[in-house]
Amino acid sequence: QKEVEQDPGPLSVPEGAIVSLNCTYSNSAFQYFMWYRQYSRKGPELLMYTYSSGNKEDGRFTAQVDKSSKYISLFIRDSQPSDSATYLCAMSQTGGFKTIFGAGTRLFVKA
Amino acid sequence: EAGVTQFPSHSVIEKGQTVTLRCDPISGHDNLYWYRRVMGKEIKFLLHFVKESKQDESGMPNNRFLAERTGGTYSTLKVQPAELEDSGVYFCASSQDRWGAFFGQGTRLTVV
Repeated sequence: QKEVEQDPGPLSVPEGAIVSLNCTYSNSAFQYFMWYRQYSRKGPELLMYTYSSGNKEDGRFTAQVDKSSKYISLFIRDSQPSDSATYLCAMSQTGGFKTIFGAGTRLFVKA
Repeated sequence: EAGVTQFPSHSVIEKGQTVTLRCDPISGHDNLYWYRRVMGKEIKFLLHFVKESKQDESGMPNNRFLAERTGGTYSTLKVQPAELEDSGVYFCASSQDRWGAFFGQGTRLTVV
């Protein structure tokens, strides 16, 4: 079983829709949770990060962590064609910097 | 501010040859990481440097892979001898702390 599970999609939505991206994980020791965005032929770009449980909002993006369910989410409001990319969840434990990535979800936002 | 730079962007080598990948991190970033993504798989951690010291090399696949970080600045990842299964995209990232790791554009390695 993978430590981090993420549906690879693709996920296709119309412009302006609310997008929900999710990951589940099995290792209860994960405390740091991150979301990266990756455009084709580019390196991942850090979007959001949270520590332990809770919500964090930044502009059109909201990250949620539910440690009791081992489930994290990224919501994108008012999605734009420029949001079309692969979104990767990532997480790590306290005491180390080793980051475990999900497979990434390919998102297409249609104009 | 210059980002993380990786050289070369692409490399095609024959099985059994040696390849050296280079990473120039963002200036002042003590933490440097190497990751790899092979076809259809997740991005996998290879190792983590703090300055010139290897902090965690638990992800290195085998002893054909050797990473160094000279003087706590740039880093190299050498694969010797290369095997077909080493093909993939190798990413380098750097950070000041555990948040905000900046990734390079990656080196696409193809072993034929």
